[in-house]
Amino acid sequence: DAGVIQSPRHEVTEMGQEVTLRCKPISGHDYLFWYRQTMMRGLELLIYFNNNVPIDDSGMPEDRFSAKMPNASFSTLKIQPSEPRDSAVYFCASSLSGIEAFFGQGTRLTVV
Amino acid sequence: DQQVKQNSPSLSVQEGRISILNCDYTNSMFDYFLWYKKYPAEGPTFLISISSIKDKNEDGRFTVFLNKSAKHLSLHIVPSQPGDSAVYFCAAGGNEKLTFGTGTRLTIIP
Repeated sequence: DAGVIQSPRHEVTEMGQEVTLRCKPISGHDYLFWYRQTMMRGLELLIYFNNNVPIDDSGMPEDRFSAKMPNASFSTLKIQPSEPRDSAVYFCASSLSGIEAFFGQGTRLTVV
Repeated sequence: DQQVKQNSPSLSVQEGRISILNCDYTNSMFDYFLWYKKYPAEGPTFLISISSIKDKNEDGRFTVFLNKSAKHLSLHIVPSQPGDSAVYFCAAGGNEKLTFGTGTRLTIIP
């Protein structure tokens, strides 16, 4: 398996634009997590899914953020409208058990 | 409110010496703990874990110690090697999800 695949690796967008981040989890993993890495807060959990169902979205910062998992092999994290303070590295991770998580390489988002 | 804290943002250690990275947590409901290693431009990778029923777990040069009464865990790397230079994240888990600390940047000096 190629591991967790995220796209794009880098995204630069203007404030107010919609941004969509994509993730393909490891095949067979039941859990999918979206994290955001910042200097101040480290790795923050935004939302996670179990068997494609959102379980906990309490980490989603605002209504501007939304996430979907239409099937077991694909998830998106959307920010609309984007703001400069959303600039960060966004990681997707998947897990078989909910314990050890395997991370993708991340998407570095810059909102100017 | 940071439930998992890594109070040292950075640490420098001479090659061959022991590196000790520390982590504190506040939630007594956490029942397993993990350390992840992260190189620049890559995602974090799992390093070692420990269950709350143990106080020590060893894997080669890496040992994790857990002190439940103090709500403290530490990662020992001995001997330290240049390839160990990375950011190390402590994570605590319970109820399906992991809570991460802010990370400690370890630099091994040749």
